[in-house]
Amino acid sequence: ILNVEQSPQSLHVQEGDSTNFTCSFPSSNFYALHWYRWETAKSPEALFVMTLNGDEKKKGRISATLNTKEGYSYLYIKGSQPEDSATYLCASLWGTSYGKLTFGQGTILTVHP
Amino acid sequence: DTGVSQDPRHKITKRGQNVTFRCDPISEHNRLYWYRQTLGQGPEFLTYFQNEAQLEKSRLLSDRFSAERPKGSFSTLEIQRTEQGDSAMYLCASSPQDRGLVNGYTFGSGTRLTVV
Repeated sequence: ILNVEQSPQSLHVQEGDSTNFTCSFPSSNFYALHWYRWETAKSPEALFVMTLNGDEKKKGRISATLNTKEGYSYLYIKGSQPEDSATYLCASLWGTSYGKLTFGQGTILTVHP
Repeated sequence: DTGVSQDPRHKITKRGQNVTFRCDPISEHNRLYWYRQTLGQGPEFLTYFQNEAQLEKSRLLSDRFSAERPKGSFSTLEIQRTEQGDSAMYLCASSPQDRGLVNGYTFGSGTRLTVV
C-alpha cells in the first residue's frame, strides 16, 4: 500500500506570517509529485508538478521543494494572506501506477486578518 | 473551453436508489479520472480512462459502481443500490496524454452525494 502523509492536518496563522507544510511519500519507483490548492466550493487547482530530486518551483509567494531520495516535499507560503486560506493537497504518482494519483489527507490553512 | 464540468453539483437520494453523475472533461484531454473524497480524507482514486478505455479500477469500486466513457468524451459514474457509506464528494479530473506532468490535472467542482 502506497501512502502519502501530510502534516500538519490544520494550521491557523496570522496575516503576514510565513508557513510551511510537509508531504511524505514512499520514494521507491517515484515518478511525480503534485501540489493542489482547494478552496471551499471550488475545484482543486494545480499549483506545482515536480519530478526531479532537488526540484524547486515558485509561483508568486508560494514555493515548493522536492527530495525524492528521502521521500518528502515542502510547500512554503511567504507572507500569508486571508485569500491563501484553503486545503493544500499533495499527491504522488509512481512509475507503476500510470494514471493513479495517490493523495494525502491535506493541510487546512486558515489565515486570520 | 470552460474547464471540467460536473453535473449535478449536489444530489440527495434515499438509500437503495440508483444515481448517475456526469463529467465533461476538457475536450483535448484524453485521460479522465474519478476520485471520491470523504470528510477529513484526501481524494481516493476510483477509476480512470484513456479515451474510451477504462484502464484501471480501484478495489474501492465495488460491483455497485460502474463508470463509462463512450466515444472518449464525457463520462458517467453510476452507483446502484446506494448505501449511506456512499455519501461523499465525487470528483472528476482530466489530463492530456502526459499524465499531467506539465500542468497537473484539471478538476471539476465535484458532485456532493448525500444518501439518507
